[in-house]
Amino acid sequence: SYVLTQPPSVSVAPGKTASITCGGDSIGRKIVHWYQQRPGQAPVMVMYFDRDRPSGIPERFSGSNSGDTATLTITRVEAGDEADYYCQVWDSSSDHHVFGTGTKVTVL
Amino acid sequence: QEHLVESGGGAVQPGRSLRLSCRASGFVFSDFGMHWVRQAPGKGLEWVAGIWYEDGSNKYHADSVKGRFSISRENSKNTLYLQMNSLRTEDTAIYYCVRFHHEYFDWWGQGTLVTVSS
Repeated sequence: SYVLTQPPSVSVAPGKTASITCGGDSIGRKIVHWYQQRPGQAPVMVMYFDRDRPSGIPERFSGSNSGDTATLTITRVEAGDEADYYCQVWDSSSDHHVFGTGTKVTVL
Repeated sequence: QEHLVESGGGAVQPGRSLRLSCRASGFVFSDFGMHWVRQAPGKGLEWVAGIWYEDGSNKYHADSVKGRFSISRENSKNTLYLQMNSLRTEDTAIYYCVRFHHEYFDWWGQGTLVTVSS
């Protein structure tokens, strides 16, 4: 089955840039979506189709996908960005949706 | 405003059954595929099952629940279901009802907790 690997944690100072990676075999050939989950809350989509932002998501959030790595980048990080982030793809070979292992973003 | 409200969770012994429901409002339920995603305590997200938007004849399940869980929908009642049989301790999780749009999960319910324990 297809596996998506994320770093367990990323720490960043306020105002700096956080990069959250999502590794998978030739993930650049797939479409990646990203979700944010604040403590005690349900997940919320923050990026779809690799680089498209849903309405209400700040321009500080951006996405890219190439080769074996997809990346969610958050610029000018704020305290409210502290959350767990998950990448997700559709694996056509298994007809399964797959989530990444998740990354906890801590704002110092 | 879209709304997804799950119900039916609770504590159950291993081997028993439970049926989860998800009532949708604020959008045309029959126009969307629907899914269940779960999250074990302190763990990540795991896709469980999905069903197409039409009559629900097309459905698919994760390997971890195949043969034990079954997703279904009743469009006339704007409701999604998850029948869970032969429950195991590893099925303990918050179960989220999720709307599927194009290729992504665009709207999530608040979840219902299922605890499987003897």
